[in-house]
Formats: sequence, structure tokens, C-alpha cells
Amino acid sequence: SQQGEEDPQALSIQEGENATMNCSYKTSINNLQWYRQNSGRGLVHLILIRSNEREKHSGRLRVTLDTSKKSSSLLITASRAADTASYFCATSETSGSRLTFGEGTQLTVNP
Amino acid sequence: GAVVSQHPSRVICKSGTSVKIECRSLDFQATTMFWYRQFPKQSLMLMATSNEGSKATYEQGVEKDKFLINHASLTLSTLTVTSAHPEDSSFYICSARDWGVSAQPQHFGDGTRLSIL
Repeated sequence: SQQGEEDPQALSIQEGENATMNCSYKTSINNLQWYRQNSGRGLVHLILIRSNEREKHSGRLRVTLDTSKKSSSLLITASRAADTASYFCATSETSGSRLTFGEGTQLTVNP
Repeated sequence: GAVVSQHPSRVICKSGTSVKIECRSLDFQATTMFWYRQFPKQSLMLMATSNEGSKATYEQGVEKDKFLINHASLTLSTLTVTSAHPEDSSFYICSARDWGVSAQPQHFGDGTRLSIL
């Protein structure tokens, strides 16, 4: 069952702006991961943050994790048209176990 | 980086046909692979966990006899949709995890678009 909720469901911004997506979950987790999916394609792993971490950076991506609120956010800075895709968070209750995906955010970056 | 190859990418066939989808880890060993189903504009729903050398673990509501999973080697898992009907039309995606290191991300195939006429 899906335990993650993401908001917004859809986000449309202009190139150069920042995009923030949020994810909430319900159970205890070992780690939380963010994936990107271009239309009709598989998922590409973006970043993994462990339950004992609070923030992680990778290039233009910044992920935060608040285990007390059971929530995470993904920030994409200086967005580009090529960032247009669906973004999913996924949680893992134990290391290496199955992933439970959120509902996803459809991001559109307008040139 | 780790690569997962999924084949075929698209299948269009008549109702009643059985369809086999392959998922291969190309440069790592995967004792566990996962099969997901995704409807348009929705998230991924886990169908089953495929374990090398043993029976697959199916999620609640997924018919074992309908969706046959075989994981005969450390690099290959197959999903066979038996006697497919139009309601089985969907996007099927596999993923695999590089064994040996904890908390590693899953690597996804590019998906198979299945259309049953």
C-alpha cells in the first residue's frame, strides 16, 4: 500500500526558479529516497537520505528529512526545462527492503 | 553506474496471449528484484518481490497464477502475464538492488508498456 503522500501533485514554474516538493510518510523508516521519472520511462535514482541524516546535497538538489514530522522535501534550484518530469519519494523500513512510493509530483519547467 | 535492462519496451497483443517480460542486471548481481505496475498518472505499486532460487513473494491482491515470476539466476528475473486481458494493460517496471551493500538505491529498468487488445 502507498504510505507516502506528496504535495503538490503538480507544479509548474519558469526556468531558473526553484522547485520544492514535499513528501510525508507514516511508518518508521531506515532511509528515504527520491526518484525521477520521465514520461513513459523507468525511474532514475536521485538521492538517498538515511534516517539519521537531516540534510543532503547533490548538485542542484537538496533533500531534507524530518523524522519527527515524518516528512521530507526535495529542492531543485535554478530549474531547467530538462527537469520536467515526475518526482517520487520512496521509503524503506529496513535497509535493503522493499520501497513504498509516494503519489508523486509532476513538475513542469517552462522555458 | 548500475544498469538494469528490461525487455521488451512495448508489447501489443491480443486478449488471451501470455506475455513474458525480462529484467536483467547488467553489471551487478541481484539476489532480489522487484516488479511494479504503474497506471497512467499514478504511482508505482509493488506487485511482487523476486528472490533468486526461491519463490516470489506477492503483494496482497496480486494473483500468483496470473503473474508468474521466475528468478533463475543472479542477473535475470522474468514476469509472465498469463492469458492477458485488456485490464492487464499497464506499464510494468522492474528494479534490482546491488547486493552486498546496505541502504543502496534500487536500479530501475525502463519499463514495458503492455497493451492488450
